[in-house]
Amino acid sequence: AQKITQTQPGMFVQEKEAVTLDCTYDTSDPSYGLFWYKQPSSGEMIFLIYQGSYDQQNATEGRYSLNFQKARKSANLVISASQLGDSAMYFCAMRGPDSNYQLIWGAGTKLIIKP
Amino acid sequence: DVKVTQSSRYLVKRTGEKVFLECVQDMDHENMFWYRQDPGLGLRLIYFSYDVKMKEKGDIPEGYSVSREKKERFSLILESASTNQTSMYLCASSFFGQGNTGELFFGEGSRLTVL
Repeated sequence: AQKITQTQPGMFVQEKEAVTLDCTYDTSDPSYGLFWYKQPSSGEMIFLIYQGSYDQQNATEGRYSLNFQKARKSANLVISASQLGDSAMYFCAMRGPDSNYQLIWGAGTKLIIKP
Repeated sequence: DVKVTQSSRYLVKRTGEKVFLECVQDMDHENMFWYRQDPGLGLRLIYFSYDVKMKEKGDIPEGYSVSREKKERFSLILESASTNQTSMYLCASSFFGQGNTGELFFGEGSRLTVL
């Protein structure tokens, strides 16, 4: 069965430091997609970045990058030069070929940026 | 600007009341979802729909029903609200096709309290 694990329930990071949020996944399907979402305290879920299992390069979107290690089944989110506005919950999710309509979600990591 | 709109941000209901949560999207997406979010549990899928009048049970459908009479609208119904249904409810929509990641677009959430 597909599964997403986020082992860090909470993190404190100093402003301007880089942050790595961990995500490991479990699937036997060769084709899958991995997503990261941000949820500020206001509640809306904001899509950050996507990595396909066949993508040759790690995905990047501005200050966000995805450290994709396929053999280790990990898809860690890296936020460079953190800002106070990065304080939020962060969720890792996976879509597999047999669940084209759905995403499997991790429990989330609460990130707090300290000034 | 693409948008998923949930009818109520905050609701307070009494045990046994019938509750309607409405969700409308303007992106012409085939797929729509209702999730429930509780601390430490991530997002859990209640129901999803991949077409008008079509619905599929998610992981926790008990106590809920849904309706999709029009493509843009997906309603979640609590026939007889109970205190254990106090939660944040998130609606999302997506389109999954060639060259598309299938990312979910979310509404702002509806926080339901059942007394």
